[in-house]
Amino acid sequence: DAGVTQSPTHLIKTRGQHVTLRCSPISGHKSVSWYQQVLGQGPQFIFQYYEKEERGRGNFPDRFSARQFPNYSSELNVNALLLGDSALYLCASSWDRAVGEQYFGPGTRLTVT
Amino acid sequence: GQQLNQSPQSMFIQEGEDVSMNCTSSSIFNTWLWYKQEPGEGPVLLIALYKAGELTSNGRLTAQFGITRKDSFLNISASIPSDVGIYFCAGRAGGSQGNLIFGKGTKLSVKP
Repeated sequence: DAGVTQSPTHLIKTRGQHVTLRCSPISGHKSVSWYQQVLGQGPQFIFQYYEKEERGRGNFPDRFSARQFPNYSSELNVNALLLGDSALYLCASSWDRAVGEQYFGPGTRLTVT
Repeated sequence: GQQLNQSPQSMFIQEGEDVSMNCTSSSIFNTWLWYKQEPGEGPVLLIALYKAGELTSNGRLTAQFGITRKDSFLNISASIPSDVGIYFCAGRAGGSQGNLIFGKGTKLSVKP
């Protein structure tokens, strides 16, 4: 079975631009979570979606938004990019929102110049 | 954002040695997880713990859920070069909240 997939792998954007990152969960998993990982740190929670609804949100500004589609795939959108948004964006899936075991994709490396 | 206290930050060991690392929190968790991350990849789940006092093994890896529910430990026995990477602990508080809180990681280097 395929694991969590994310696209694109790498992305370079300019300050002020907008970006959309995509994630497909493991087949059968209904919950998708997004994390931001800056160099030298552990992942930081951004959003959790379950059954197409937002179920949790981390301490990130409103420039960050996400959604989940009927097939359980998800998009993370970031508006008005700042240099500090440069990071590895990780998507994790689990079969239920209250399950601890989350399986991560390879991430999207975003560089903002 | 909140992060767990994970130590040590880095370890340089000889192949064949045993490794121990730990993670502590000021809050109680009902789930502890250990992940390994290699360069350019996402974290890979190694062990999941769900009960205080639980001791779980996965090959040469053994992890324990502390009885206070505020800490966890990971041991790697007889290390090999492919154990190189960054090991992260993660905790989940429970209830309907599904988000994981991560430590800063322990970077493991193994000399052949």
